[in-house]
Amino acid sequence: GAGVSQSPRYKVAKRGQDVALRCDPISGHVSLFWYQQALGQGPEFLTYFQNEAQLDKSGLPSDRFFAERPEGSVSTLKIQRTQQEDSAVYLCASSPGQGGYGYTFGSGTRLTVV
Amino acid sequence: AQSVTQLDSHVSVSEGTPVLLRCNYSSSYSPSLFWYVQHPNKGLQLLLKYTSAATLVKGINGFEAEFKKSETSFHLTKPSAHMSDAAEYFCVVSETGRGNKLVFGAGTILRVKS
Repeated sequence: GAGVSQSPRYKVAKRGQDVALRCDPISGHVSLFWYQQALGQGPEFLTYFQNEAQLDKSGLPSDRFFAERPEGSVSTLKIQRTQQEDSAVYLCASSPGQGGYGYTFGSGTRLTVV
Repeated sequence: AQSVTQLDSHVSVSEGTPVLLRCNYSSSYSPSLFWYVQHPNKGLQLLLKYTSAATLVKGINGFEAEFKKSETSFHLTKPSAHMSDAAEYFCVVSETGRGNKLVFGAGTILRVKS
């Protein structure tokens, strides 16, 4: 596709439920990033992939958060045993090079934990 | 670590009047700086970026920003606001290291009155 595609667009989860958020980057983009944007705040870095390698996961808030990109294209962010504080918009971005320049962001997945 | 401070959480202007959104950055060396715009329920869109070339950077939709190292500022301006400019604006610094991940400010909500 022409842009970064994220699905689902909206997700409501009951507390304790596991969720999986999908990101389809622009074809051929080497770098892929996940960000978390809480209500009223700027996005915060979660994790970074270069091809299939997860080079930085320093922003993942707890061990309930897990991300993968097994074939170097589609990525999945998984949250286990969701908590209310996990409610946020999860943004995915990709870029063609090994750095963060030329990012394209997806529209995000809005996760609401009830 | 790099950081950005957006000095106003909300700015309100009348249509046709100038826009000024203020941003100060903290960095131990010459940073890469960006402004992104986020319309409601839309993805983040890059307005402009500074990467150590010209200090006055022109972006899309008539926006521009000036990098002032002595003041550690990167304010966003537009000569004449349009109703369609109403959105949230993020000042962003690129953090060196793996992937050049982005560090976002808290955002400034721009309201344009008719």
